[in-house]
Amino acid sequence: EAGVTQFPSHSVIEKGQTVTLRCDPISGHDNLYWYRRVMGKEIKFLLHFVKESKQDESGMPNNRFLAERTGGTYSTLKVQPAELEDSGVYFCASSQDVGAGANVLTFGAGSRLTVL
Amino acid sequence: SQQGEEDPQALSIQEGENATMNCSYKTSINNLQWYRQNSGRGLVHLILIRSNEREKHSGRLRVTLDTSKKSSSLLITASRAADTASYFCATDAIPNFGNEKLTFGTGTRLTIIP
Repeated sequence: EAGVTQFPSHSVIEKGQTVTLRCDPISGHDNLYWYRRVMGKEIKFLLHFVKESKQDESGMPNNRFLAERTGGTYSTLKVQPAELEDSGVYFCASSQDVGAGANVLTFGAGSRLTVL
Repeated sequence: SQQGEEDPQALSIQEGENATMNCSYKTSINNLQWYRQNSGRGLVHLILIRSNEREKHSGRLRVTLDTSKKSSSLLITASRAADTASYFCATDAIPNFGNEKLTFGTGTRLTIIP
């Protein structure tokens, strides 16, 4: 079974440019989550998709971040325009529908974003 | 504010010794999980303990949970070089509206010295 795949693994861009990160979750996983870790700090929640719908986007920093999940399959996270403080590692995770049960996440390897 | 805080931030021990990491959280939880992250890789689930459990074992891992103190500990016995990684606790809050997101802390960086 393929795991969670993220692309690119590393992106270096100039301030003001646009970057799009992609995540392919495990097939059949309705839940898809985006997290971010900045410079050794905590891993912060960004948003949660259930299929193609945004269930919770309370962690999105501002309107420069746009996440989509076309057809409930892969997801993209676009940062436009990128700022220096957006640098960090962006993790995607997916899980099956567990209702109110224990939600164990499977993570991708992350996309490291460096904004110069 | 940060839900999970791991302590210590970094820990170095000799191979074969035991490693203990602690996690504190702020709100009431359903479950607490521990994840490991090797450098350049994604987080990997290690063990889950439910709020009505006090201790759980899995191989060389032992997790305790004290809901009155809102804290958990992860013990790795007989450490190996391959245990070198960052370890994170993660909690899901209540009420749980379904498929609840996990809240992570800053992690403990564990280094095993051969």
